[in-house]
Amino acid sequence: GENVEQHPSTLSVQEGDSAVIKCTYSDSASNYFPWYKQELGKGPQLIIDIRSNVGEKKDQRIAVTLNKTAKHFSLHITETQPEDSAVYFCAAWDSNYQLIWGAGTKLIIKP
Amino acid sequence: EAGVAQSPRYKIIEKRQSVAFWCNPISGHATLYWYQQILGQGPKLLIQFQNNGVVDDSQLPKDRFSAERLKGVDSTLKIQPAKLEDSAVYLCASSLVGTGSNEQYFGPGTRLTVT
Repeated sequence: GENVEQHPSTLSVQEGDSAVIKCTYSDSASNYFPWYKQELGKGPQLIIDIRSNVGEKKDQRIAVTLNKTAKHFSLHITETQPEDSAVYFCAAWDSNYQLIWGAGTKLIIKP
Repeated sequence: EAGVAQSPRYKIIEKRQSVAFWCNPISGHATLYWYQQILGQGPKLLIQFQNNGVVDDSQLPKDRFSAERLKGVDSTLKIQPAKLEDSAVYLCASSLVGTGSNEQYFGPGTRLTVT
């Protein structure tokens, strides 16, 4: 079955700098890759997603890139702000139509 | 639009006791999911409903966990008897089928502590 690995587990960046979180997946049939943000005491919330027919997608300060050949995808956050502090999860939609999640990255924005 | 509602928010029980969680999805969402999220890990799917039918319960420990979604709206997840390793946050999510979007909307979760 699908396996999703996410790195790093913790990322600390200075406010205003960029943050990059990387994920790899194993099932070549996976075709949908969402990113969720989870704030303390809340459920995950979708922030951006990408399908296998595109290589990059942007939404203001957030972008996701996908390399299907290498089976990895990344989340890029530019001009980080204090409200970006949270746990970020990548996920992959496997061939059984089940969402397989990474272990999460705790993003810390230093003032 | 109201979000996914869950109750209770917190629950502390002793091992071997039973517990039940309730979820009310977003109105009109046909698909409902229950996830278990252990501290420091990503959510793990326990069961997925499409209306009131089970789509996937392959990772549900059926000797102790049960779930139902009567009338295809709200749902309950039960654990009986609970074990220490069941301590986790139980997340309910729902999604709207047929729009081409796979977005899942999550409730705030129920934090279960088994002592």
